[in-house]
Amino acid sequence: EVQLVESGGGLVQPGGSLRVSCAASGFSLSDYEVNWVRQAPGRGLEWLSYISSSGSHMFYADSVRGRFTISRDNAKKSVYLQMNSLRAEDTAVYYCARRLLQVVGVFDLWGRGTLVTVSS
Amino acid sequence: DIQMTQSPSSVSASVGDRVTITCRASQDINTWLVWYQQKPGKAPNLLIYTASNLQSGVPSRFSGSGSGTDFTLTISSLQPEDFATYYCQQTASFPRTFGQGTKVEIK
Repeated sequence: EVQLVESGGGLVQPGGSLRVSCAASGFSLSDYEVNWVRQAPGRGLEWLSYISSSGSHMFYADSVRGRFTISRDNAKKSVYLQMNSLRAEDTAVYYCARRLLQVVGVFDLWGRGTLVTVSS
Repeated sequence: DIQMTQSPSSVSASVGDRVTITCRASQDINTWLVWYQQKPGKAPNLLIYTASNLQSGVPSRFSGSGSGTDFTLTISSLQPEDFATYYCQQTASFPRTFGQGTKVEIK
């Protein structure tokens, strides 16, 4: 089955760190660019970060630049989001999403998400 | 950054109704516009890309139009499974930005 599966979410204290992972199966992740998108409880979608298929190019939203780092390991078919200096407002479901090959910026496959809760 | 504004924020409709949702970009994005559907507790699902191209497997009652700054998503005959929240997203530049969402509710 073609899918993305996120993991690594959980409860973390303000100022803490967490790494969430996105594992691909059923397709060759190394062919695809990947993005992270989050959704705070009861809120809309917020794009966070992008990584190219080779891992050589990354982009970030202003809200996470300098605190979050995206990376990938194509041999392990995985993409990661390292989150540091976490704040209460980072509480959200974190989704990874694959870019549609034919069109820039379109997310055609999403994972189910992993919940990150930042609270003391 | 390009701001995306959807209207209305919510709409109440009945099965069989025609529903139209609009999305406005703060600057010209040509046709670099995507629509997603999201149901409660689920990940978003791609409906339409480059403003008017239907993603494979999406029912033909969904259609999109527009270019520049003004776009619409139309559901020609609302079905029970279409009650959900719909988001537009611009793909013209980074950072990618979404509209705030439009919730389609049962009347």
